Amino acid sequence: QKEVEQNSGPLSVPEGAIASLNCTYSDRGSQSFFWYRQYSGKSPELIMSIYSNGDKEDGRFTAQLNKASQYVSLLIRDSQPSDSATYLCAVKVDSNYQLIWGAGTKLIIKP
Amino acid sequence: GAGVSQSPSNKVTEKGKDVELRCDPISGHTALYWYRQSLGQGLEFLIYFQGNSAPDKSGLPSDRFSAERTGGSVSTLTIQRTQQEDSAVYLCASSLDTGTLYGYTFGSGTRLTVV
Repeated sequence: QKEVEQNSGPLSVPEGAIASLNCTYSDRGSQSFFWYRQYSGKSPELIMSIYSNGDKEDGRFTAQLNKASQYVSLLIRDSQPSDSATYLCAVKVDSNYQLIWGAGTKLIIKP
Repeated sequence: GAGVSQSPSNKVTEKGKDVELRCDPISGHTALYWYRQSLGQGLEFLIYFQGNSAPDKSGLPSDRFSAERTGGSVSTLTIQRTQQEDSAVYLCASSLDTGTLYGYTFGSGTRLTVV
């Protein structure tokens, strides 16, 4: 069974610090990896995608992928209270027609 | 349209009534997904459409749930004889390529409350 695992949190980080969110996946056929942010009462929105090993940076966000170790991370630099949300990791396996979702990590940025 | 549109945004219904939830995906997105999310929980897959066909209905909780998609566009999720456990946010998402490169785009959801 294909699985995506995330620590449910909450993860509490002081404002201005780096928040580090982790996700592990079970299927080595996984090819695409996504991070979604979901504010309370809202729907998920895509914030990062990554397809190859290494780092991908977009503003304050950096996604890191290590296929050998089967994990993907999201770093948020200079964390702001507005970053407080649940972060969902999603993985696309080549043979699958849908994304496999983690349960999400709740992030709280404390002023 | 520019995004995925869902209606209604909120629906309160009495137990035992039927409800219809609508999803209008992004133009050109052939893949369409319905999810359910209960308060504080993760995404629960319901059904997947590719065009007008539904290759995977395995997530539908019971035979009270059905869905259709017409013209490769608008989809309707119908819940018959609603029960209190059906109360949740129903999310629709669409994708150009089943998520391989572009992931999904979600609508704003329909919050269903069964009283």
